[in-house]
Amino acid sequence: RKEVEQDPGPFNVPEGATVAFNCTYSNSASQSFFWYRQDCRKEPKLLMSVYSSGNEDGRFTAQLNRASQYISLLIRDSKLSDSATYLCVVRNTGGFKTIFGAGTRLFVKA
Amino acid sequence: EAGVAQSPRYKIIEKRQSVAFWCNPISGHATLYWYQQILGQGPKLLIQFQNNGVVDDSQLPKDRFSAERLKGVDSTLKIQPAKLEDSAVYLCASRPSGRAVSDTQYFGPGTRLTVL
Repeated sequence: RKEVEQDPGPFNVPEGATVAFNCTYSNSASQSFFWYRQDCRKEPKLLMSVYSSGNEDGRFTAQLNRASQYISLLIRDSKLSDSATYLCVVRNTGGFKTIFGAGTRLFVKA
Repeated sequence: EAGVAQSPRYKIIEKRQSVAFWCNPISGHATLYWYQQILGQGPKLLIQFQNNGVVDDSQLPKDRFSAERLKGVDSTLKIQPAKLEDSAVYLCASRPSGRAVSDTQYFGPGTRLTVL
C-alpha cells in the first residue's frame, strides 16, 4: 500500500463548478499536511497547508480527518487557471520525511 | 528573496554515462531534499539532508546514485552509470529551519534528464 494515495484523475469540470479531491495516508504518526499545485512542466508550489480544524483560502477549502487518515481539497467556482495537477503531501514526525501523492489532474473547461 | 537554483535545466545523455546535478537552496535553509519525478507520477524522495548530514536516503539507489551537501549549503546529485529508467525530472527543494514540522518546502525549477 502506498503511503499517500490520491483520487485517480483526470477530473474534467466546467468553469464555475465545485470539485473535491480526496487523499488518504497510511502512517498514523503523520503530523503535517499540505496541498501543492503543479502546472505542466513546472515545479510544485504550495497551495495551502491543512490544519486540524480545517482552513479556507478564498475558493479553496482544506479538511483533515485524523481518525480516518484522509485529507480533502474543495475548489469552488472553478476557473480555467485552476487547471493543474494537485499533489497531496504528508510530513511525518522524527526526520520530517515528506511524502507526495501521485497527484490528481484537473482540467477546467470554458 | 532568491529561490532554489538548479542547473543544468536540461540534460540528454546516453545510457551508462555519468551525470551530475547541482542545487543551491534558499539562503539559510537547513533542510535540503532531492526528488525524482517520473512523468505522470508525484515526486519521489531520493535523499534528505539536514545541514550537511543525511536524514533519509532509504529510496536512493545507492549502487548508482550519490549525493553530497558540502558545508551544509550547495548540493550535488550524481548518477553513475545512468539507465534508461532514470529519465525524469530531478527536483531540489529546501525548507527553512528544519525544526518546525509545518515549515513550507520550496522547489527549484528542476533538471529534466533524458537517457537515450
